Amino acid sequence: TQLLEQSPQFLSIQEGENLTVYCNSSSVFSSLQWYRQEPGEGPVLLVTVVTGGEVKKLKRLTFQFGDARKDSSLHITAAQPGDTGLYLCAGVDSGGYQKVTFGIGTKLQVIP
Amino acid sequence: GAGVSQSPSNKVTEKGKDVELRCDPISGHTALYWYRQSLGQGLEFLIYFQGNSAPDKSGLPSDRFSAERTGGSVSTLTIQRTQQEDSAVYLCASSLAPGGVTDTQYFGPGTRLTVL
Repeated sequence: TQLLEQSPQFLSIQEGENLTVYCNSSSVFSSLQWYRQEPGEGPVLLVTVVTGGEVKKLKRLTFQFGDARKDSSLHITAAQPGDTGLYLCAGVDSGGYQKVTFGIGTKLQVIP
Repeated sequence: GAGVSQSPSNKVTEKGKDVELRCDPISGHTALYWYRQSLGQGLEFLIYFQGNSAPDKSGLPSDRFSAERTGGSVSTLTIQRTQQEDSAVYLCASSLAPGGVTDTQYFGPGTRLTVL
């Protein structure tokens, strides 16, 4: 069974601070995805990274896929209260269909 | 446009009762997934449907769990003889086509199941 470990599990920061969330696995994935989930809603896909070493930016969010395709990080610059939510990393294998393994998530609270 | 919808949004039931959870995927999406999200746990894969193919049931935790997808669209997840450990949020997702590593799964808002 492939496992994804996320750290930290909880993060409470002040508005304007920077933060990094980590996602690690002992297994190699075809791609890695990051989702954000708000209370009472399903996860929403933020980004998919496919190539080892790949870096993608989405406004103040920067996503990186490790060279060995086993780990990833999400960096948020100048966090805003609207960034509050549960951030989930997910490893994807494509063996006939998109088999996704989710991490436990990082619960982020940005205090105004 | 319409997203994935699930009903009911909340369900409270007594231990031992059967429950049915419904998922309406995005129109035209051929792939449908069910997941379970428990407190302190990540999303756990339950079952996958693709068109008329036999579903992948490898994630169903016990034979009390079953799911159907009628006409390649609406899906129902049934839990028989519910137990307290079945309490969780059950999420449904659909995608346009299966298999691609960059394929996007669109999630519904989930059904929160509480077994007393």
